[in-house]
Amino acid sequence: SAVISQKPSRDICQRGTSLTIQCQVDSQVTMMFWYRQQPGQSLTLIATANQGSEATYESGFVIDKFPISRPNLTFSTLTVSNMSPEDSSIYLCSVGGTDTQYFGPGTRLTVL
Amino acid sequence: QKEVEQDPGPLSVPEGAIVSLNCTYSNSAFQYFMWYRQYSRKGPELLMYTYSSGNKEDGRFTAQVDKSSKYISLFIRDSQPSDSATYLCAMPSSNSGYALNFGKGTSLLVTP
Repeated sequence: SAVISQKPSRDICQRGTSLTIQCQVDSQVTMMFWYRQQPGQSLTLIATANQGSEATYESGFVIDKFPISRPNLTFSTLTVSNMSPEDSSIYLCSVGGTDTQYFGPGTRLTVL
Repeated sequence: QKEVEQDPGPLSVPEGAIVSLNCTYSNSAFQYFMWYRQYSRKGPELLMYTYSSGNKEDGRFTAQVDKSSKYISLFIRDSQPSDSATYLCAMPSSNSGYALNFGKGTSLLVTP
């Protein structure tokens, strides 16, 4: 299994600001995913990040709001831009394939 | 209709009870089925995954897939207070490559 770390683990931000979340994996992986888990809800995929290509966003998520970088096979960042209270969620990165996926510990974001 | 449906509970059982957690799904093409356990304020942890139909056992946990009914189950024998967590079923999304489609999660409380 992969070991995944995320930074920061939590943050409290002001409306209108941006936060960049980092995801580091202990091995090289092709595909990385970013999910959001809103309070009391399940996980919703934001985008798939492949190294060397543009991220693929799910319906309802746009690059201007959630820009993603994938500079190499062990690292990715997700930025939450121009935040509003509705962006308060846990943001999780994951790696894997069809049969198994492993998740990071998550970043708990609160927007005031 | 959501692709994956799961009763959110909460489910409360006494220590030592057998727990049955269930999900239904709509896409008959699904082949991989996963169960994740998520403790409060933590990322999801892969508990078990199965391919196609049948049973898979790991210690006190048994995952069961009935493709004819599009129904999957996770059984926990001799439940312990440390099993108290949210259990999420997941299947590869039919729209997003390897990304996962999650159920809402069932909250389980095992009381001493």
